[in-house]
Amino acid sequence: DTEVTQTPKHLVMGMTNKKSLKCEQHMGHRAMYWYKQKAKKPPELMFVYSYEKLSINESVPSRFSPECPNSSLLNLHLHALQPEDSALYLCASSPFRFAGSSYEQYFGPGTRLTVT
Amino acid sequence: GQQVMQIPQYQHVQEGEDFTTYCNSSTTLSNIQWYKQRPGGHPVFLIQLVKSGEVKKQKRLTFQFGEAKKNSSLHITATQTTDVGTYFCAGSRNTGNQFYFGTGTSLTVIP
Repeated sequence: DTEVTQTPKHLVMGMTNKKSLKCEQHMGHRAMYWYKQKAKKPPELMFVYSYEKLSINESVPSRFSPECPNSSLLNLHLHALQPEDSALYLCASSPFRFAGSSYEQYFGPGTRLTVT
Repeated sequence: GQQVMQIPQYQHVQEGEDFTTYCNSSTTLSNIQWYKQRPGGHPVFLIQLVKSGEVKKQKRLTFQFGEAKKNSSLHITATQTTDVGTYFCAGSRNTGNQFYFGTGTSLTVIP
């Protein structure tokens, strides 16, 4: 199984709503990522988890709250978002065999988020 | 953050023509990855380059990492309609999991 799954595929939320995005992989990868991608732009790194611990936070506003409940799951909790947060949110995972080494990232299909 | 630029931003080619995209970093990279994203799809990993001056080939695709490890290129020989998509490089300054995507090159192949 070389698949990263994300739910939901589409999400429309108001600025006062609280919602969560979910990501799951069963490849035994111990690094997981959240990226944000606006139309016709490259993916922007938001968070990196290594062995279920947050290792990188790219100065993301606190209205985005990541969570890694176990080695297969990654959540992104959303609260009080702004219309400019509308984007495709991509989850990715990669092996993490040795500290300091880099490996290929497997991306999920993304959640297309619209904030109204 | 890191600045990773790609040129050209867009490229239209006739099927069968060659295509090259160039990736340039403002800082020395420890390694670089290349991804392809089809319209409406998600990035798919193509390759990783680690060594200075490294060249790797995958069928019609040739990837190169510059001697100074600040630039890279992807060359496609005899493009096909299946090559359509946006090609991103992603560089890491530190070995590990922190990759920054280049601005991307969108390739259109005209049959």
